[in-house]
Amino acid sequence: DIVLTQSPAILSLSPGETATLSCRASQSVSSSSAWYQQKPGQPPRLLIYDASNRASGVPARFSGSGSGTDFTLTITSLEPEDFAVYYCQQRSSWPLTFGGGTKVEIK
Amino acid sequence: EVQVLESGGGLVQPGGSLRLSCAASGFTFNTYDMSWVRQAPGKGLEWVSAIGNSNTATTYADSVKGRFTISRDNSKNSLYLQMNSLRADDTAMYYCARARVTAWDFDYWGQGTLVTVSS
Repeated sequence: DIVLTQSPAILSLSPGETATLSCRASQSVSSSSAWYQQKPGQPPRLLIYDASNRASGVPARFSGSGSGTDFTLTITSLEPEDFAVYYCQQRSSWPLTFGGGTKVEIK
Repeated sequence: EVQVLESGGGLVQPGGSLRLSCAASGFTFNTYDMSWVRQAPGKGLEWVSAIGNSNTATTYADSVKGRFTISRDNSKNSLYLQMNSLRADDTAMYYCARARVTAWDFDYWGQGTLVTVSS
């Protein structure tokens, strides 16, 4: 199974700052990765697919990059509604796997 | 508007069975692959099972293989998960998720249905 390791586990930032979240795969997944945002009591929301493509309706302050084993989600100028947990996912091989999550909290 | 709505969760004893349902609307159900993803309380996301749009291809996480069965009825726009031999570690919120066209990531999720396995 492909293991996805997200870091850091918790990111404490203030509104207006830039968040940089990392996801590292145990083997190459090419560009077959996605990022999700989850707020308390809500289902996940797709933000980024194929490593760098924003899903429909996702603000431009969210961007994804990377390929192979290293991926990054960047959130520029954090808004209050961006404080949440973020998960990466790979679809390169079965079983589909998710990272353990990064919580972006208000500092 | 795309919607997926899960039902069927509840409290069940270890060793028991439960059948989850997911009603889909707002899109052409029979053209989309579907999946179940679960989340234990306070934990991360775990993919459980997936099914192709024509009901011919299914796959499972090792943790549920042999105990869970995914199916769909395209005439009813519905997805199902039959869960047998339930264990305490199956306790989780179960989400129905629509796969993006030709890709196994998920663009629409339901609100989830909670399954609690406890005596």
